[in-house]
Amino acid sequence: KNQVEQSPQSLIILEGKNCTLQCNYTVSPFSNLRWYKQDTGRGPVSLTIMTFSENTKSNGRYTATLDADTKQSSLHITASQLSDSASYICVVSAQLGTYKYIFGTGTRLKVLA
Amino acid sequence: DSGVTQTPKHLITATGQRVTLRCSPRSGDLSVYWYQQSLDQGLQFLIHYYNGEERAKGNILERFSAQQFPDLHSELNLSSLELGDSALYFCASSPPGRANQPQHFGDGTRLSIL
Repeated sequence: KNQVEQSPQSLIILEGKNCTLQCNYTVSPFSNLRWYKQDTGRGPVSLTIMTFSENTKSNGRYTATLDADTKQSSLHITASQLSDSASYICVVSAQLGTYKYIFGTGTRLKVLA
Repeated sequence: DSGVTQTPKHLITATGQRVTLRCSPRSGDLSVYWYQQSLDQGLQFLIHYYNGEERAKGNILERFSAQQFPDLHSELNLSSLELGDSALYFCASSPPGRANQPQHFGDGTRLSIL
């Protein structure tokens, strides 16, 4: 069964600290993996998109890694800011004739001053 | 501002009714995607249109249908509404080209079924 699991479910950190969010998937055949940031009441915003051949991709203070062998991805946030408080969602795309998108349930991050 | 416009922002209706949600994609984007986000199931992919043609279907119920018009705006029609259809409905768009294009989301339509 195609599944995407994220951990932790929620996380609280102090401003300025780093954190790492995890995404494990069993989606096949794999096409790409996306990380989104979603503020409460807003639509998701794309952070990174990685294909099978990409190991690391950065977007400012956000760095995503992908290990296609172990089917794991992580999103590392450096020097967190209050504005990083949001839900972070991992989405894996499978190419089954046409594309399908399987969403994780997200990690809710809260950054405290 | 993502450039994707969804209307209305909020919709309150009763069970058994039918509603239409509208999405205007970013200028130049040919793909439109519809997603449902509910509290108990998270985000789910419903359907993808590219330049007026259906490209992929996800977990879209038979009571739901969508279309993309020649001007590229899209509508999601929900009929015989049930309490469980209460959710946030997002539209996203992406430009033509490779499949790995970023999707730009609107801020959604919040549908409440009473």
